[in-house]
Amino acid sequence: QQQVKQSPQSLIVQKGGISIINCAYENTAFDYFPWYQQFPGKGPALLIAIRPDVSEKKEGRFTISFNKSAKQFSLHIMDSQPGDSATYFCAAPRPGTSGSRLTFGEGTQLTVNP
Amino acid sequence: KAGVTQTPRYLIKTRGQQVTLSCSPISGHRSVSWYQQTPGQGLQFLFEYFSETQRNKGNFPGRFSGRQFSNSRSEMNVSTLELGDSALYLCASKYGGASDTQYFGPGTRLTVL
Repeated sequence: QQQVKQSPQSLIVQKGGISIINCAYENTAFDYFPWYQQFPGKGPALLIAIRPDVSEKKEGRFTISFNKSAKQFSLHIMDSQPGDSATYFCAAPRPGTSGSRLTFGEGTQLTVNP
Repeated sequence: KAGVTQTPRYLIKTRGQQVTLSCSPISGHRSVSWYQQTPGQGLQFLFEYFSETQRNKGNFPGRFSGRQFSNSRSEMNVSTLELGDSALYLCASKYGGASDTQYFGPGTRLTVL
């Protein structure tokens, strides 16, 4: 059974600081790991994703790094802003499902204090 | 392009009733997935439809069912509602490839009294 373990459950950082969220998976259909951001009252929105054969991807202040041997991937938010305060979910394609079924981590509630 | 739309946004039902939720995917998307989101269980996959066929199914009882129409719009139905079915039900669409980006709708908040 696919499990994705996400930590920490909650995170408080000061404006300008670095937010780091980690995820570990057991197995995956293939190396595609998206991160979603969810604001209260809204559906999750894709923030950034990493695809096969790439160990790091950066988009603006957001960076995903991927360690295949350790089966871990993480999200780094540089220069965190109050507007980044949201819940973040990592996900991985569940094995045996053609990858269309994503298994999500438990979520990290990020609070960025001004 | 318009995003994923879900109707209704809020629903209040009583135990034993049934409910139907609707999802309109992004134009051109043929895959629609449904998720249940609760504070205790997080985001849990219900099922995925592609070209009117159920392609994947999660670990939910048979009271949860769905269907997809030829225009890719999808509905999910929950029969014999239980208190534990209170949740945010999210619909997500994508073109259809395994690693295509899934785009979520705003969800339907279902409260069962």
